[in-house]
Amino acid sequence: GDSVTQMEGPVTLSEEAFLTINCTYTATGYPSLFWYVQYPGEGLQLLLKATKADDKGSNKGFEATYRKETTSFHLEKGSVQVSDSAVYFCALRSGGSNYKLTFGKGTLLTVNP
Amino acid sequence: EAGVVQSPRYKIIEKKQPVAFWCNPISGHNTLYWYLQNLGQGPELLIRYENEEAVDDSQLPKDRFSAERLKGVDSTLKIQPAELGDSAVYLCASSPSGTANTGELFFGEGSRLTVL
Repeated sequence: GDSVTQMEGPVTLSEEAFLTINCTYTATGYPSLFWYVQYPGEGLQLLLKATKADDKGSNKGFEATYRKETTSFHLEKGSVQVSDSAVYFCALRSGGSNYKLTFGKGTLLTVNP
Repeated sequence: EAGVVQSPRYKIIEKKQPVAFWCNPISGHNTLYWYLQNLGQGPELLIRYENEEAVDDSQLPKDRFSAERLKGVDSTLKIQPAELGDSAVYLCASSPSGTANTGELFFGEGSRLTVL
């Protein structure tokens, strides 16, 4: 079945540091890939997505590239801010009419000033 | 535009008691999802509705969990009786259906259940 493996947290960085959160997946066919973020006290919200191989999703300075050959979708940001402190979830949706999202366990990021 | 609304935000009950959670999706979203999020884990799908029809309930523990979406809008998730292991956050999400479904789910803030 479908599965998502994320880098274990928590991750603690200083402001302006470079961020990478690794994500690899197992899925049948050609899934769509997503990063969701959950800020403290809020619901999950979509951060970025990519629907086919070699696509790059980007938003708020975050980027992730859909790598079919390595089945990966790593999240990166060149310079993190305190306001980026949150839990980040990698997720996939299998192709076709299956609307089910399969999530990773989440990675807690804390950015210190 | 109002987002997905869930209530209650927090609920503490004794084991073997019943509990119910309510969800109002974004207006016009025909697809509604209930997810379970255990501490330190990602959300796991319990049930998905297309309008009033439950089209995927394979992960719903039907011996104690039930859900309904009678008019294809609001939904209720019930647990009866609750067990200690049901302590978790219950998330509701909605999305458009058909070709308008891009894979983005809109989540509510969740209902945190503590069973004592």
